[in-house]
Amino acid sequence: EPEVTQTPSHQVTQMGQEVILRCVPISNHLYFYWYRQILGQKVEFLVSFYNNEISEKSEIFDDQFSVERPDGSNFTLKIRSTKLEDSAMYFCASTQRLVSHEQYFGPGTRLTVT
Amino acid sequence: GIQVEQSPPDLILQEGANSTLRCNFSDSVNNLQWFHQNPWGQLINLFYIPSGTKQNGRLSATTVATERYSLLYISSSQTTDSGVYFCAGPPDSNYQLIWGAGTKLIIKP
Repeated sequence: EPEVTQTPSHQVTQMGQEVILRCVPISNHLYFYWYRQILGQKVEFLVSFYNNEISEKSEIFDDQFSVERPDGSNFTLKIRSTKLEDSAMYFCASTQRLVSHEQYFGPGTRLTVT
Repeated sequence: GIQVEQSPPDLILQEGANSTLRCNFSDSVNNLQWFHQNPWGQLINLFYIPSGTKQNGRLSATTVATERYSLLYISSSQTTDSGVYFCAGPPDSNYQLIWGAGTKLIIKP
C-alpha cells in the first residue's frame, strides 16, 4: 500500500541553524500538508500546498518557515533559524482530495533544537 | 475557531475490556478522521468517516454529522491498543485538520 515517507526520522540541531525536513507524499496525491506536535500537546496545522503554492497557513507558519516542492516527488519544510520552541514532531500529510479528502500521514520527523 | 473536544482524556482498562471514545465538534465538520498515535509517535489512520458507521476488526466508528460528534469503539482491548487516540476534521470553510487533545488509553495485561 502506498505510504507517505519522511526523512530524517530524528534531527538534532543547534539554535539558529537552518533545517530542512523532507517528505515524499503518495504519488497520485495533489494536496500536501505539514503539521507539528510539541511533546505532550495536540497536533497543529502549519501549512497546506497545492499546485506549487501555499493554499493555507496558520499563525505558526511565520517568515522563518518555507515549503517547496523541488521536484515531482519531494515536499520540503525549511526552518531558517531554529529556536528552542521549534522542537517538536513534524508530520507531513497528503491527500488526493478529488476522490477522497482523507489525509495520510508520514511517520514524522522528531526535531530537537538545543 | 472550531473547537474539538475529546473524552475521556485518560482511560485505563484491563485487557479484554470494551471502550467508547467520544469526539465533539463546536461547529460542523466534514471528513472526520480518527488516528492512533503509537508509542513511537507515529500517527496511524484508523477511520475516515464523514458520516455513518464503519468497522475494521475490533474497532468501529460512528459519526453523526448533524449532531457534531463521533464515537470510536474498541472491543476486546489488547495491550497493543495502548496509545493516544485523536479525532480531527476540517471545518467546512477549509481543509486543514483541526485536532482534539486526544484520549490516552492504557490497556493493562
